[in-house]
Amino acid sequence: VQLVQSGAEVKKHGESLRISCKASGYSFTSYWITWVRQMPGKGLEWMGQIDPSGSSTKYSPSFEGHVTISADKSIRTAYLQFSSLRPSDTAIYYCARTYSLLPFDSWGQGTLVTVSS
Amino acid sequence: SYVLTQPPSVSVAPGQTARITCGGNNIGSKSAHWYQQKPGQAPVLVVFDDDDRPSGIPERFSGSNSGNTATLTISRVEAGDEAGYYCQVWNTSSEHPVFGGGTTLTVL
Repeated sequence: VQLVQSGAEVKKHGESLRISCKASGYSFTSYWITWVRQMPGKGLEWMGQIDPSGSSTKYSPSFEGHVTISADKSIRTAYLQFSSLRPSDTAIYYCARTYSLLPFDSWGQGTLVTVSS
Repeated sequence: SYVLTQPPSVSVAPGQTARITCGGNNIGSKSAHWYQQKPGQAPVLVVFDDDDRPSGIPERFSGSNSGNTATLTISRVEAGDEAGYYCQVWNTSSEHPVFGGGTTLTVL
C-alpha cells in the first residue's frame, strides 16, 4: 500500500490550489481517503474524507465550505482543493487510508503548503 | 463534539516504561488507535483497536482502554522512540474521527 502526494506549494493569499494523493497497492474503491492538517508545531486535525467508490464526502465543520475533497478512481487519485487560500492555511496536509471505524493504516508523505500575504 | 485529552509531554529514561494517556468520556466503549510521528515524518500507526499492533511494530508497544482512559505503553524505551504520539477514535454519533492533542515523548 502506498499513498504518494504532490509536492510542496508556495502560494499567495486568495489563490486557489489543488493537491493530490495517488494510491497504489490496494483496491482504491474499497477504502476511504481522508485528509489531515498539521499546522506548524501543532497536532493532527481531521479535515474530511471521500469514499472513492461513489465520491460521497464528509467534512469537519471546521473546514466545510473552505475546502473540497474529490477523487478520480480511473487514475486512483484523491484531491484536496482550496478555492481561496489564506495565510492560516499554511500547514502540512496528509492523506491517509481508512474505512468506517478503522484506523488510518497508511499515510502519504505530506504536502507542505505555504501561503503568503 | 467528542474531545480527547492527552498530556502535552512525557519524559522517561532509556530502558524505563513510558505511559501516555488519552482521556475521553467513556472512551472504553470505543476502539482507540495510536500514531507515532517523528520530526519531519508522516504519522505511523503503532497500536490499533486498543491493543493490537500492525506488523513491523515492536512488541514493546502495547495499549489498553477502559473507562475514561486509553493508555499507550512503551516498554524498554529507546532513544529512537522519541516522537509525538497521538490517540484517535471515531465519534460514532457524527461518524467523524477525532484526534487527541498529542504527547511529546522525551527520552532523557
